[in-house]
Amino acid sequence: DGGITQSPKYLFRKEGQNVTLSCEQNLNHDAMYWYRQDPGQGLRLIYYSQIVNDFQKGDIAEGYSVSREKKESFPLTVTSAQKNPTAFYLCASRLGVGDTGELFFGEGSRLTVL
Amino acid sequence: RKEVEQDPGPFNVPEGATVAFNCTYSNSASQSFFWYRQDCRKEPKLLMSVYSSGNEDGRFTAQLNRASQYISLLIRDSKLSDSATYLCVVIAYSGAGSYQLTFGKGTKLSVIP
Repeated sequence: DGGITQSPKYLFRKEGQNVTLSCEQNLNHDAMYWYRQDPGQGLRLIYYSQIVNDFQKGDIAEGYSVSREKKESFPLTVTSAQKNPTAFYLCASRLGVGDTGELFFGEGSRLTVL
Repeated sequence: RKEVEQDPGPFNVPEGATVAFNCTYSNSASQSFFWYRQDCRKEPKLLMSVYSSGNEDGRFTAQLNRASQYISLLIRDSKLSDSATYLCVVIAYSGAGSYQLTFGKGTKLSVIP
Protein backbone atom coordinates (compact mmCIF):
# COMPACT_ATOMS: atom_id res chain seq x y z
CA ASP A 1 0.00 0.00 0.00
CA GLY A 2 1.13 3.55 -0.67
CA GLY A 3 1.72 5.77 2.25
CA ILE A 4 4.11 7.47 4.60
CA THR A 5 6.13 5.51 7.11
CA GLN A 6 7.65 7.13 10.15
CA SER A 7 10.01 5.43 12.53
CA PRO A 8 10.48 4.93 15.35
CA LYS A 9 6.99 5.36 16.72
CA TYR A 10 8.29 5.99 20.24
CA LEU A 11 11.74 7.21 21.16
CA PHE A 12 13.42 8.09 24.43
CA ARG A 13 16.50 10.25 24.48
CA LYS A 14 18.85 11.50 27.11
CA GLU A 15 19.59 15.18 27.23
CA GLY A 16 22.49 16.13 25.00
CA GLN A 17 21.93 13.38 22.44
CA ASN A 18 21.02 13.89 18.83
CA VAL A 19 18.28 11.68 17.41
CA THR A 20 17.12 11.13 13.85
CA LEU A 21 13.51 10.45 12.93
CA SER A 22 12.89 8.63 9.69
CA CYS A 23 10.20 9.51 7.14
CA GLU A 24 9.74 7.52 3.94
CA GLN A 25 6.96 7.86 1.37
CA ASN A 26 6.12 5.75 -1.66
CA LEU A 27 3.46 8.08 -3.02
CA ASN A 28 5.82 9.77 -5.48
CA HIS A 29 5.06 13.09 -3.81
CA ASP A 30 7.26 16.09 -4.49
CA ALA A 31 6.76 18.00 -1.25
CA MET A 32 7.51 16.74 2.24
CA TYR A 33 7.02 18.42 5.60
CA TRP A 34 7.91 18.02 9.25
CA TYR A 35 5.59 19.30 11.95
CA ARG A 36 5.79 19.35 15.71
CA GLN A 37 2.73 19.07 17.93
CA ASP A 38 2.71 19.69 21.67
CA PRO A 39 -0.14 18.56 23.94
CA GLY A 40 -3.27 20.57 23.29
CA GLN A 41 -1.52 22.64 20.64
CA GLY A 42 -1.70 22.98 16.90
CA LEU A 43 0.83 21.83 14.35
CA ARG A 44 3.95 23.93 13.91
CA LEU A 45 6.10 23.67 10.79
CA ILE A 46 9.74 22.74 11.33
CA TYR A 47 11.10 22.23 7.80
CA TYR A 48 9.73 21.50 4.37
CA SER A 49 11.14 20.38 1.05
CA GLN A 50 9.63 20.87 -2.37
CA ILE A 51 12.28 19.08 -4.39
CA VAL A 52 15.24 16.79 -3.89
CA ASN A 53 18.35 18.46 -2.47
CA ASP A 54 16.41 21.53 -1.42
CA PHE A 55 14.60 22.39 1.82
CA GLN A 56 13.36 25.45 3.64
CA LYS A 57 13.06 26.42 7.28
CA GLY A 58 9.65 26.58 8.79
CA ASP A 59 8.50 28.54 11.82
CA ILE A 60 10.49 26.61 14.44
CA ALA A 61 13.61 25.27 12.67
CA GLU A 62 16.11 26.10 15.43
CA GLY A 63 17.65 22.96 16.91
CA TYR A 64 16.57 20.77 13.99
CA SER A 65 18.17 19.68 10.73
CA VAL A 66 16.93 17.79 7.67
CA SER A 67 18.16 16.36 4.40
CA ARG A 68 16.42 15.45 1.15
CA GLU A 69 18.85 13.28 -0.79
CA LYS A 70 16.09 11.11 -2.25
CA LYS A 71 12.56 11.97 -3.26
CA GLU A 72 11.17 9.29 -0.98
CA SER A 73 13.05 10.20 2.17
CA PHE A 74 13.07 13.25 4.44
CA PRO A 75 14.76 12.46 7.79
CA LEU A 76 14.65 14.92 10.68
CA THR A 77 17.47 15.22 13.21
CA VAL A 78 16.63 16.66 16.59
CA THR A 79 19.90 18.07 17.86
CA SER A 80 21.05 18.76 21.39
CA ALA A 81 20.54 22.44 20.62
CA GLN A 82 16.76 21.95 20.70
CA LYS A 83 15.93 23.02 24.24
CA ASN A 84 12.54 21.38 24.60
CA PRO A 85 12.41 18.44 22.21
CA THR A 86 9.74 16.32 23.90
CA ALA A 87 6.84 16.37 21.45
CA PHE A 88 4.87 14.47 18.82
CA TYR A 89 6.56 14.76 15.41
CA LEU A 90 4.55 14.39 12.23
CA CYS A 91 5.88 13.92 8.72
CA ALA A 92 3.62 14.73 5.78
CA SER A 93 3.79 14.80 2.01
CA ARG A 94 1.89 16.38 -0.83
CA LEU A 95 1.81 15.54 -4.52
CA GLY A 96 2.61 19.03 -5.79
CA VAL A 97 3.85 22.32 -4.44
CA GLY A 98 1.03 24.47 -5.77
CA ASP A 99 -2.30 25.53 -4.45
CA THR A 100 -4.03 22.17 -4.68
CA GLY A 101 -3.46 18.77 -3.19
CA GLU A 102 -4.01 17.67 0.35
CA LEU A 103 -1.40 16.61 2.89
CA PHE A 104 -0.96 12.96 3.80
CA PHE A 105 0.50 12.24 7.22
CA GLY A 106 2.57 9.48 8.69
CA GLU A 107 1.55 7.98 12.02
CA GLY A 108 3.98 10.18 13.90
CA SER A 109 6.97 9.73 16.18
CA ARG A 110 6.64 10.49 19.86
CA LEU A 111 9.93 11.71 21.34
CA THR A 112 10.52 11.90 25.07
CA VAL A 113 13.66 13.41 26.56
CA LEU A 114 14.58 11.94 29.91
CA ARG B 1 -5.03 38.75 13.90
CA LYS B 2 -3.89 35.14 13.55
CA GLU B 3 -3.75 33.78 10.02
CA VAL B 4 -6.13 30.90 10.64
CA GLU B 5 -8.40 30.83 13.67
CA GLN B 6 -10.68 28.22 15.11
CA ASP B 7 -12.79 28.13 18.25
CA PRO B 8 -10.89 25.59 20.39
CA GLY B 9 -14.06 24.35 22.06
CA PRO B 10 -14.66 21.86 23.46
CA PHE B 11 -18.04 21.42 21.87
CA ASN B 12 -19.99 18.91 23.94
CA VAL B 13 -23.05 17.72 22.05
CA PRO B 14 -25.51 14.84 22.52
CA GLU B 15 -25.71 12.01 20.02
CA GLY B 16 -27.90 12.92 17.09
CA ALA B 17 -27.27 16.64 17.36
CA THR B 18 -26.14 18.90 14.56
CA VAL B 19 -22.96 20.85 15.19
CA ALA B 20 -21.10 23.40 13.13
CA PHE B 21 -17.54 24.73 13.28
CA ASN B 22 -16.08 27.76 11.60
CA CYS B 23 -12.53 28.54 10.59
CA THR B 24 -11.59 32.10 9.68
CA TYR B 25 -8.57 33.07 7.61
CA SER B 26 -6.94 36.43 7.19
CA ASN B 27 -5.04 36.03 3.92
CA SER B 28 -7.25 37.01 1.01
CA ALA B 29 -4.85 35.14 -1.33
CA SER B 30 -5.94 31.84 0.20
CA GLN B 31 -6.91 29.41 -2.51
CA SER B 32 -7.44 25.91 -1.16
CA PHE B 33 -9.10 24.72 2.00
CA PHE B 34 -9.38 21.42 3.82
CA TRP B 35 -10.85 19.90 6.95
CA TYR B 36 -8.87 17.25 8.82
CA ARG B 37 -9.86 15.07 11.71
CA GLN B 38 -7.36 14.18 14.44
CA ASP B 39 -8.05 11.56 17.07
CA CYS B 40 -6.22 11.70 20.37
CA ARG B 41 -2.52 10.86 19.99
CA LYS B 42 -2.96 10.05 16.30
CA GLU B 43 -2.06 11.74 13.04
CA PRO B 44 -4.49 14.09 11.26
CA LYS B 45 -6.51 12.49 8.48
CA LEU B 46 -8.24 14.26 5.63
CA LEU B 47 -11.96 14.61 6.20
CA MET B 48 -12.83 16.64 3.15
CA SER B 49 -11.66 19.32 0.79
CA VAL B 50 -13.71 22.51 0.65
CA TYR B 51 -14.84 23.68 -2.76
CA SER B 52 -16.20 27.06 -3.73
CA SER B 53 -19.63 25.61 -4.41
CA GLY B 54 -19.71 23.74 -1.12
CA ASN B 55 -19.59 20.00 -0.84
CA GLU B 56 -21.26 17.23 1.08
CA ASP B 57 -20.13 13.77 2.10
CA GLY B 58 -22.79 11.87 3.97
CA ARG B 59 -23.42 13.63 7.26
CA PHE B 60 -20.69 16.18 6.66
CA THR B 61 -21.06 19.43 4.74
CA ALA B 62 -18.27 21.90 4.07
CA GLN B 63 -18.76 25.42 2.80
CA LEU B 64 -16.55 28.33 1.82
CA ASN B 65 -17.46 31.98 2.23
CA ARG B 66 -14.81 34.00 0.43
CA ALA B 67 -16.44 37.36 1.12
CA SER B 68 -16.26 36.86 4.88
CA GLN B 69 -13.13 34.70 4.67
CA TYR B 70 -14.21 31.62 6.52
CA ILE B 71 -14.92 27.97 5.93
CA SER B 72 -17.42 25.90 7.85
CA LEU B 73 -18.00 22.25 8.68
CA LEU B 74 -21.45 20.96 9.54
CA ILE B 75 -21.95 17.55 11.09
CA ARG B 76 -25.48 16.19 11.16
CA ASP B 77 -26.76 13.34 13.34
CA SER B 78 -23.59 13.27 15.46
CA LYS B 79 -22.19 9.87 16.40
CA LEU B 80 -20.00 8.97 19.35
CA SER B 81 -17.29 8.14 16.80
CA ASP B 82 -17.27 11.76 15.60
CA SER B 83 -15.53 12.75 18.85
CA ALA B 84 -12.17 14.16 17.75
CA THR B 85 -10.36 17.42 17.07
CA TYR B 86 -11.17 19.04 13.73
CA LEU B 87 -8.41 21.03 12.04
CA CYS B 88 -8.78 23.42 9.15
CA VAL B 89 -5.96 23.93 6.66
CA VAL B 90 -5.58 26.86 4.31
CA ILE B 91 -3.22 27.08 1.33
CA ALA B 92 -2.23 30.55 0.15
CA TYR B 93 0.21 31.92 -2.36
CA SER B 94 3.21 33.33 -0.54
CA GLY B 95 5.22 34.69 -3.45
CA ALA B 96 8.12 33.51 -5.62
CA GLY B 97 6.17 30.49 -6.78
CA SER B 98 5.66 29.19 -3.27
CA TYR B 99 2.51 28.29 -1.39
CA GLN B 100 2.09 28.33 2.36
CA LEU B 101 0.02 25.78 4.25
CA THR B 102 -1.41 27.06 7.51
CA PHE B 103 -3.20 24.97 10.11
CA GLY B 104 -5.73 26.15 12.60
CA LYS B 105 -5.23 24.93 16.16
CA GLY B 106 -8.30 22.76 15.96
CA THR B 107 -11.76 22.50 17.48
CA LYS B 108 -12.40 19.68 19.92
CA LEU B 109 -15.71 17.87 19.63
CA SER B 110 -17.09 15.48 22.23
CA VAL B 111 -20.28 13.64 21.39
CA ILE B 112 -22.04 12.49 24.54
CA PRO B 113 -24.31 9.43 24.82
